[in-house]
Amino acid sequence: AQSVTQPDIHITVSEGASLELRCNYSYGATPYLFWYVQSPGQGLQLLLKYFSGDTLVQGIKGFEAEFKRSQSSFNLRKPSVHWSDAAEYFCAVEGYGQNFVFGPGTRLSVLP
Amino acid sequence: DTAVSQTPKYLVTQMGNDKSIKCEQNLGHDTMYWYKQDSKKFLKIMFSYNNKELIINETVPNRFSPKSPDKAHLNLHINSLELGDSAVYFCASSQDQGGYTQYFGPGTRLTVL
Repeated sequence: AQSVTQPDIHITVSEGASLELRCNYSYGATPYLFWYVQSPGQGLQLLLKYFSGDTLVQGIKGFEAEFKRSQSSFNLRKPSVHWSDAAEYFCAVEGYGQNFVFGPGTRLSVLP
Repeated sequence: DTAVSQTPKYLVTQMGNDKSIKCEQNLGHDTMYWYKQDSKKFLKIMFSYNNKELIINETVPNRFSPKSPDKAHLNLHINSLELGDSAVYFCASSQDQGGYTQYFGPGTRLTVL
């Protein structure tokens, strides 16, 4: 079965700074990969997803993620963080015919 | 128009009670899910339904039972509520299984006293 780790429980960045959130997965093949964002008191919203093809994926709100097969990683990046990006970020994987599994989440705080 | 809606938003109840949480999606999706998010924000899938058939049934207590009267609805019924059931429960739907985007409802915060 697949699994997901997000090594950083909490990250704090200044507004305007760049951001990278880490995600590593364990699966025998290339799974479907997702990043979701959860704003306080809200449900989850998809930022982007990777199925195949170009390993650099563009998403909403200026986010992008890069799939690196050799590192089993799917890190999320944003060149300039806005205060409204403060939220909980979840990486998720879905193997073929397998369950959808979320990582433990990374809480992002943004300093003014 | 809300794509995935849940009711109620908040639910406070006593131990031992039976309660239900309703979920409806107006996206025409074939697959619906229930997730539990604990106090540490950890999300775990509980159930999913595809065309009214249960296709994933995680090792959750049998006090929890999903009920789907039609493709647009997947309700969660919980018997004999326990303190450990306190969490936020999210409903979601997707066009199908296999890499499709899941659309989440706003969540139901369940507090068992």
